[in-house]
Amino acid sequence: TQLLEQSPQFLSIQEGENLTVYCNSSSVFSSLQWYRQEPGEGPVLLVTVVTGGEVKKLKRLTFQFGDARKDSSLHITAAQPGDTGLYLCAGRGSNTGNQFYFGTGTSLTVIP
Amino acid sequence: DVKVTQSSRYLVKRTGEKVFLECVQDMDHENMFWYRQDPGLGLRLIYFSYDVKMKEKGDIPEGYSVSREKKERFSLILESASTNQTSMYLCASSLLGTGNTIYFGEGSWLTVV
Repeated sequence: TQLLEQSPQFLSIQEGENLTVYCNSSSVFSSLQWYRQEPGEGPVLLVTVVTGGEVKKLKRLTFQFGDARKDSSLHITAAQPGDTGLYLCAGRGSNTGNQFYFGTGTSLTVIP
Repeated sequence: DVKVTQSSRYLVKRTGEKVFLECVQDMDHENMFWYRQDPGLGLRLIYFSYDVKMKEKGDIPEGYSVSREKKERFSLILESASTNQTSMYLCASSLLGTGNTIYFGEGSWLTVV
């Protein structure tokens, strides 16, 4: 099993604040994805990063893949209540075929 | 839009019962997955399949089996349900290849009493 650790596990912030969520591993991944999951629903893909050092922006969300492809971060600028949810990172191993490994998740609550 | 449909959103079963969770995807995806999601443990892979009649064990296959007789359908079977199998079960599918998106169903909440 290739472990992905996310931090923090829980985060509660006021609307308008910035935050960063981290996803770390000792393993190298060929690609890494970030998902957001709302209560009672399945996870929905936000972004895929493939190249070491890659940065992708999705409106107020900025995703970065580490140079060594072992870690990633998600930064949210000016958080809004609609950003509330469980954020999951998932890595595809470089030698594990089609299997994805998921992090434990970061539960974000944005208070109006 | 890709659609992954899980047959039951909420189930309550008794200990020892045989339980079937069905999943269907409509995008001709090669890969299909079954995960369970528990608080503090994230998503853990039970089984996955990359082709019809092919299956591979994930991280926690004990107590489960799967069936993939058709490309679009992947079933998870609990031969004899136990209370520690109470969980949220998520089915997913994807194309083969690096970086392909995993599409999830809405989940099935199983309670074993």
